[in-house]
Amino acid sequence: DIQMTQSPSSLFASVGDRVTITCRASQNVSIYLAWFQQNPGRAPKSLIFGASSLRSWVPSKFSGSGSATDFTLTINDLQPEDSATYYCQQYKNYPLTFGGGTKVEI
Amino acid sequence: EEQLLESGGGLVQPGGSLRLSCAASGFMFSNYAMSWVRQAPGKGLEWVSTFSRSGDKTYYADSVKGRFTISRDNSKSTLYLQMNLLRADDTAIYYCAKGSDAYIWGPGTTVTVSS
Repeated sequence: DIQMTQSPSSLFASVGDRVTITCRASQNVSIYLAWFQQNPGRAPKSLIFGASSLRSWVPSKFSGSGSATDFTLTINDLQPEDSATYYCQQYKNYPLTFGGGTKVEI
Repeated sequence: EEQLLESGGGLVQPGGSLRLSCAASGFMFSNYAMSWVRQAPGKGLEWVSTFSRSGDKTYYADSVKGRFTISRDNSKSTLYLQMNLLRADDTAIYYCAKGSDAYIWGPGTTVTVSS
């Protein structure tokens, strides 16, 4: 199974900051990497697929990069509504696997 | 608008069964793989199962293999998850999602396994 490791597990940031979350895969997943945002009590929402492609409803302050085993999610100009837990997921191989999550607090 | 809506959750005793449903709308259901993902209280996301777009392959997490069965009815645009031999550690919110990359998620349905 492919293990997905996210870091940090949590972070505190200020309004206007730029934050970066990393996700490392235990094997090469090419660009079959997705990022999700989950607010408390809500279902996750897809942000990025294919490592760097934004979903149509996602503002451009979100960006993703990376390939193979190392990936990043960057959020520019952090706002209070960006407080959430963020997850990465590989969909290269079954079983599909998620990272442990990164809680972003502002 | 593309939407998913889960139903069928509830309280069940250990060893019991439940069948979850996920009704899809706003897209051509038969053209997509469909997945179930769960989240135990206070925990992260755990993939459970996927039914391929082609309809000939199903995939399961080791934790549910042999106990859960995923199926779909394309004529009703509905995905199912039959859950048997339920255990306390199956307690979670169960989400259905479009595709293996979880493009769209439903709001979830809660399953509680307790005596």
